Order: sequence, then structure tokens, then C-alpha cells
Amino acid sequence: AQTVTQSQPEMSVQEAETVTLSCTYDTSESDYYLFWYKQPPSRQMILVIRQEAYKQQNATENRFSVNFQKAAKSFSLKISDSQLGDAAMYFCAYRSAQQGGSEKLVFGKGTKLTVNP
Amino acid sequence: NAGVTQTPKFRVLKTGQSMTLLCAQDMNHEYMYWYRQDPGMGLRLIHYSVGEGTTAKGEVPDGYNVSRLKKQNFLLGLESAAPSQTSVYFCASSYLGSSGNTIYFGEGSWLTVV
Repeated sequence: AQTVTQSQPEMSVQEAETVTLSCTYDTSESDYYLFWYKQPPSRQMILVIRQEAYKQQNATENRFSVNFQKAAKSFSLKISDSQLGDAAMYFCAYRSAQQGGSEKLVFGKGTKLTVNP
Repeated sequence: NAGVTQTPKFRVLKTGQSMTLLCAQDMNHEYMYWYRQDPGMGLRLIHYSVGEGTTAKGEVPDGYNVSRLKKQNFLLGLESAAPSQTSVYFCASSYLGSSGNTIYFGEGSWLTVV
């Protein structure tokens, strides 16, 4: 079974600075997707960024980018120019791309990000 | 755009009572999921469905039942609620296969069992 580990329960960053959230995963599959979800106090699950395992290029979405190291099974999220609205729980998630499977998301336990003004 | 809608949003139950959470999606998704979220545990999969009329167990299925009689609806039932089932419940859905690798979530249902 796949597992996702987020080793940082809490992180803090100064407004306008850069922060990196860590995520590692364990899988024997070669084809899969990786995601970062943001959960603000409202509890809504918001997709931040996604990465297809077959793509070597790291995904970017405005101030959010990832460092995907497939061999190391590492998928970190970098937030540049941090804003107060970035404060939230961040979840790393894995989804198998294997045909015929459930294609369910497996989540890490989350990292709580605080942004200090 | 309704997306994924969960009802009710909030509910307080007494131990031993039963209830059903309804999830409805209007995106014609094949896959539907029920997760629960507890402090420090992330989201854990309860049950899921890969199509109308099919369901399967996830990571934490005990104490819950599900049904998918219609493609757009996925019901989560608690037959005899226990305090350990106090949690936030999320429904999610997605397309089949690589045609849609993103899973869409509802806004959550807060359940307290006293």
C-alpha cells in the first residue's frame, strides 16, 4: 500500500518570504499523480498544484512550485512571496494511475503553515 | 456550478442513533469517495465507489455503510453512532482514469456524537 509522509507538523514563515513544505511517499508503482491541497480554516479542500509522475518538469502555479524527485520519492512544495492568505493546513497526496484500480487519494497527515506579518 | 454537495453540513447525534450523509455530484463522475478527517490524522478513506451499484471498503470502514444507487449520489450511513465517529466527513468525486486526475471535494460535514 502507498503511504505519504509529511515530517513537519507545523511551519512558519514571514510575510513575503519563501517557505518549503516537505513530503515523501512510498510506492512500487511507476505511474501516479501527486498533489498538494490547501485547507484553510473553512475546511474547504483546495487544489494547489499537481504533478504527473511521468513528467520530469516540475509543476508551477504562480507563487507555488514543486520539487519532484522521483528516484528519492520526494515531492516538496515551495511557496514564494508568502501572503497572509497562505496560512492553512497543507496536505500532500498520492493517487495511483494504475488502470482498473480505485484511484483513491492517499493523504499525508498535513503541515500547518502560519504566516507572520 | 454545484460541483460536490454534501448534506447536512452539521449534525449532532446521540450515541446509538443512526443517520445518513448524502453526497451529490453534478459532474457525471464515475468515482466517488467518503473520507473522514480527525486532528493530526489527515484524511482517511472510509468507503469508495467506482461506479453506480458498486462500493468498496477503504482504510477505516468499520461502523459505516454506503450505497450508490444512482451515479450522482453516494450515501454514507451510520447505523449506531459512537463518540469515536465524531469527525469531519468529506465526500469527493472524479472521472475515471487519466481523463481526469483531479479529485473534487465537497465542503465537509461536521458530525458530533455525544
